[in-house]
Amino acid sequence: AQSVTQLDSQVPVFEEAPVELRCNYSSSVSVYLFWYVQYPNQGLQLLLKYLSGSTLVKGINGFEAEFNKSQTSFHLRKPSVHISDTAEYFCAVRRRGSQGNLIFGKGTKLSVKP
Amino acid sequence: KAGVTQTPRYLIKTRGQQVTLSCSPISGHRSVSWYQQTPGQGLQFLFEYFSETQRNKGNFPGRFSGRQFSNSRSEMNVSTLELGDSALYLCASRTELTDTQYFGPGTRLTVL
Repeated sequence: AQSVTQLDSQVPVFEEAPVELRCNYSSSVSVYLFWYVQYPNQGLQLLLKYLSGSTLVKGINGFEAEFNKSQTSFHLRKPSVHISDTAEYFCAVRRRGSQGNLIFGKGTKLSVKP
Repeated sequence: KAGVTQTPRYLIKTRGQQVTLSCSPISGHRSVSWYQQTPGQGLQFLFEYFSETQRNKGNFPGRFSGRQFSNSRSEMNVSTLELGDSALYLCASRTELTDTQYFGPGTRLTVL
């Protein structure tokens, strides 16, 4: 079975500051890793994904994440945030293969203040 | 290419009623999954359909059911609604060629 822990439920940050949203996972099998963003009253939008290859993954809106197998982490980073980045961010895993559902963390609410 | 669409976007029902939610996947996507999102439990997997067959199911009671049609559109049904079924229901689709699920905007169900 897999599980995902997002270490911070809320992260307040000032505009133009850097941010890191932390995600750790647990799995007995190889997994794919994802970050999704959810704006108020909307569905989930894919930010980025790690399937294989380079451990540094770049996504949309200037976000990037680094897969660290030894620490079983997949932290999300952005060097300079904007007010429009205020949203809830979800880390998710799915076991490799054709089947399998996403297992989500509890989410991190990012609040960007002017 | 159009994204995943879900109808209706909002629903209000009373306890004991039943409800049907609809999801149209991205064209060419044959896998459709459903998730329930609540403030307390977060995002939880309900079930996945592929080529009209349920191939994966989460830990939900039998009141929750679904089906998929030959055009890959999917419906989920909740019978005998309970207050705790109030949630955002999200549908996601993907192809077998990628491992990425794309989500619709969700249906907000309120049970009174």
